[in-house]
Parts: sequence; structure tokens; C-alpha cells
Amino acid sequence: QQPVQSPQAVILREGEDAVINCSSSKALYSVHWYRQKHGEAPVFLMILLKGGEQKGHEKISASFNEKKQQSSLYLTASQLSYSGTYFCGTPLGAGNNRKLIWGLGTSLAVNP
Amino acid sequence: ETGVTQSPTHLIKTRGQQVTLRCSSQSGHNTVSWYQQALGQGPQFIFQYYREEENGRGNFPPRFSGLQFPNYSSELNVNALELDDSALYLCASSLGVSPTGELFFGEGSRLTVL
Repeated sequence: QQPVQSPQAVILREGEDAVINCSSSKALYSVHWYRQKHGEAPVFLMILLKGGEQKGHEKISASFNEKKQQSSLYLTASQLSYSGTYFCGTPLGAGNNRKLIWGLGTSLAVNP
Repeated sequence: ETGVTQSPTHLIKTRGQQVTLRCSSQSGHNTVSWYQQALGQGPQFIFQYYREEENGRGNFPPRFSGLQFPNYSSELNVNALELDDSALYLCASSLGVSPTGELFFGEGSRLTVL
């Protein structure tokens, strides 16, 4: 039930692009993306909703393929500040018992 | 900064002891969720509180319990601590219970059980 993220780790040079994938064995209604820097709290990046709606406030784009039960996060022209661990979360359960289940994370290191 | 504060930031306990962790939610948020994050892992959902009632629980034993107060701040209590309870405990506040909105995380309380 836990979403599967790939790759596990990425090392980039500043300015390079990366794609992080998040797949689920269950039907997806939304996918949530967060970034966590070492020793800090996870920070919201984006929510993708069924039907194509996106909520986010960073210059990072993402796609949501309901049929493939997959979401991809696109980091273009990476900056040093993009370094961190990226987590995707997918809702599980129904009604008031819905909760976010998180993947294991993708570690991204951007070097100068 | 998210406006969510947690205390204490670090603590060390021994097996069998009890611990209380505290979380002040962002102003206006009525929902607090607690997560356990082991080293190198994603956050694991413990439970969620909405308007002072537990509203959803993950696969954690009853020795993990919580409270939410009228000002929507929250406590996580863990009894009979075990070595495997060593982790970063994160709380996140949000408006409403359904996870369709942004979660605002605190910086966490790092618990070490010896």
C-alpha cells in the first residue's frame, strides 16, 4: 500500500534536470509531494488531484497519470537549494479515516 | 517557517519510561496529525486529531496515545518505551481532516530510547 518512489537517490550538477517517480498499487485520487532537508521539517511542494488540478507554490512541475497510478515530479535547471529528500504521499482509507501514506523518499543532491 | 512548533526538540529516555511530546498548530488550523519517522524512512502516520477527537489512526499500538486541546495544540504520549520507538516525531497541522490540503510540519522531536 505504500507508494514506491524511484530512483532512490540522484546526484546532479547545478543546472541539470531530474525526474522523480511515485507509483501506487492502488487507485490514486491525489498525490502529495514534499521535500525535507536534513534536520528540517518536510515542506509542501505540490498536490496533484484527480482530474488534473494542481495546487502548489514552487517552480517545480509534476504530472499525474491516473491510469498508470503514477506521478512524476520534474525538477528542471536544478539549483543547490533543491537538495533534500523528496517524499510522495497518497491518501489511504475512506471518510474521516483517510490518511497519507508516504513513500520511502528519493534523496537528491545538487552539487556546484 | 510554518508556524508549527514542537517541544522538546531532542530527548533521551530509557526503555520502559514514558514520554510526552507537544505540538502547537498553526493559527486557524483545527487538525493535527502525528508521524513517526525512522532514520532513512518516510513518515509513518500515527494518528490525527480533529476538534479534540481522535480521527484516524495508523498501525501503532495503544501505548501511543494523544490529546488535542481547545486551542488545537496537541500532545503525543508514548508509554512503556521500546528501543524501536527511537525516531523523529513530526506533527503537522492542517485545516480540515481530508488530506487534500497542505500539511504544515513542525521541525520534530527527536527521541532516543536507550
